[in-house]
This record gives sequence, C-alpha cells and structure tokens, in this order.
Amino acid sequence: DGGITQSPKYLFRKEGQNVTLSCEQNLNHDAMYWYRQDPGQGLRLIYYSQIVNDFQKGDIAEGYSVSREKKESFPLTVTSAQKNPTAFYLCASTGQGADTQYFGPGTRLTVL
Amino acid sequence: QKEVEQNSGPLSVPEGAIASLNCTYSDRGSQSFFWYRQYSGKSPELIMFIYSNGDKEDGRFTAQLNKASQYVSLLIRDSQPSDSATYLCAVKGGYQKVTFGTGTKLQVIP
Repeated sequence: DGGITQSPKYLFRKEGQNVTLSCEQNLNHDAMYWYRQDPGQGLRLIYYSQIVNDFQKGDIAEGYSVSREKKESFPLTVTSAQKNPTAFYLCASTGQGADTQYFGPGTRLTVL
Repeated sequence: QKEVEQNSGPLSVPEGAIASLNCTYSDRGSQSFFWYRQYSGKSPELIMFIYSNGDKEDGRFTAQLNKASQYVSLLIRDSQPSDSATYLCAVKGGYQKVTFGTGTKLQVIP
C-alpha cells in the first residue's frame, strides 16, 4: 500500500526536552511538508522540502528543525525552544508537478 | 483580512438536504483550490480540487469556483450523517504557497 506514515500517533514530552516526529512516504513524491494544527485553527506551515537535502522555513519555523536526507523521509524535531508545542502535527507530500497535498495520519504531541 | 476565510459554523442540515460550504480568498493570483474533509482527531482527506471557473462534480460533491468574486464553494447533495466533519478550504496562491482556511464544521442531523 502506498501512503504516508507518521509515528508515533501520540507523544508526550516533558518541558525542556527535544522530540522527533517521523514522517515516511512511499509515494515517490518529491515535496514534503510539516503543518501544525491547533484547536479551532487552520493548518500552519512549519517547514517544507521540495528536493532531497533542501528545505525551507514556513510561517512558524521557530523552535523546529527538519532534515531531508532521503526522498522518503522528512523528520521534524520539536526543540525546547518551541514555547507552546502541544498540537496536532501533520505531514503531507506532493508529487512532481502536482498541486494536491496528501496527508499522513498525524502525531498528537502533548507537553506535560 | 485573512488570506482564506471560512465560516466556522457549525452548519446544521437535515439528512438528505444540500449542504453549502463557502470560502473566500484574498490573493487574486490564486491558481488552485482544494476541499478537504477532516473528521475529529483525524487528518484531512482530499475531496475535490478545482482550477477553472465554473462547476466540477464528483458524485454527491460539487465544487464551484468564481475567480472574479474570489470565492469557492462546496455543495454536498443528499447529505448523510457520515458527512458530519470539518471541511477545510485550501488555496494555492500566486507564490505557490498553499494556505488553509480554519474550516467549517458540518453537522448532518438524522
């Protein structure tokens, strides 16, 4: 089955800790994206990558970091510098020349 | 003014009725328009996309685009309780950036 997987589904973090959220796709998509969703709000873009070894900041990149060492993988690290990290994190990807973004199942991060 | 605006709802319609969801956008250079459905606690799933002015139909769903008035709408015919969800409008602007609205919550009453 082709698709986008995110792990873990739920993640709990203590204040001051860094955590890494996984996003993997086997759709052979070039572009990958990370969004954050807070209750009652739309999706806000954190980082995106259009090719391997290259990525760009989105609207709310502060306190986050990413890497794109493989086409299939785009992990997101939520650092201790992120002041309010509790949210639903969504990874998406897009095929070459296409517009439509397809989403993974999401990771719900809670800071204790 | 928000880049993509939607009424948050909830929009309540009886089962079997037509649900009409609306979205307005500010970037006149916008090229592509998408509707996603998001069930509570789940990720968004694509329902439809539309690029050209006019209507696009897919089963019970019809997307309508009016670039002159800068709005895009989604009609759901014969609404079912399983259609109850939040519907997100997304717009790809002139700078290739996709912006999402905050979503409209739809409740279909049996």
